[in-house]
Amino acid sequence: NAGVTQTPKFQVLKTGQSMTLQCAQDMNHNSMYWYRQDPGMGLRLIYYSASEGTTDKGEVPNGYNVSRLNKREFSLRLESAAPSQTSVYFCASSETVKNYGYTFGSGTRLTVV
Amino acid sequence: GQQLNQSPQSMFIQEGEDVSMNCTSSSIFNTWLWYKQDPGEGPVLLIALYKAGELTSNGRLTAQFGITRKDSFLNISASIPSDVGIYFCAGSRSGNTPLVFGKGTRLSVIA
Repeated sequence: NAGVTQTPKFQVLKTGQSMTLQCAQDMNHNSMYWYRQDPGMGLRLIYYSASEGTTDKGEVPNGYNVSRLNKREFSLRLESAAPSQTSVYFCASSETVKNYGYTFGSGTRLTVV
Repeated sequence: GQQLNQSPQSMFIQEGEDVSMNCTSSSIFNTWLWYKQDPGEGPVLLIALYKAGELTSNGRLTAQFGITRKDSFLNISASIPSDVGIYFCAGSRSGNTPLVFGKGTRLSVIA
């Protein structure tokens, strides 16, 4: 029972490089989320997908794009990485947006130099 | 920006002591939840509260949904070393919006 799997676990990028963070869940959940965690800032929502085929912006969407590839997978893309995007990124899923029993992945620690 | 004010930011307590932390907002929330994050892991749900005034326990943890719907608190009784971590409050203002998280309370337990 993997739950939510995020890859990679660690990544170092140079300013201006692009990359995609992958997230997959095996719980048949409809809704998926991307949060970033910064020291002293808690968890802030970047984007979410209420159901397959839909995506919506969260609190801090600038500099990111997302793709809900299918019901299982929700990816986060940084087109041109900036040092301000150095953070720990968490993917989460839930049965629906109304169901708050979010299951989180173990995170991707990204450093942009 | 974030709408939940969580306090204290950090706490150092002796093993066996009780712990209390709270979360407040200037807006009404319909749902309050408490999550715990262990080092190097994602947050895990501890307690969910759905009604104003609701008091819910989960082992040594007790949480309450404030009657004004603008606050919630979490108590941990008889703390143990594995209680170490970051505790987040989270809330939703409506049934169709994702959770908003507080900034977290970092708990350290001294044996």
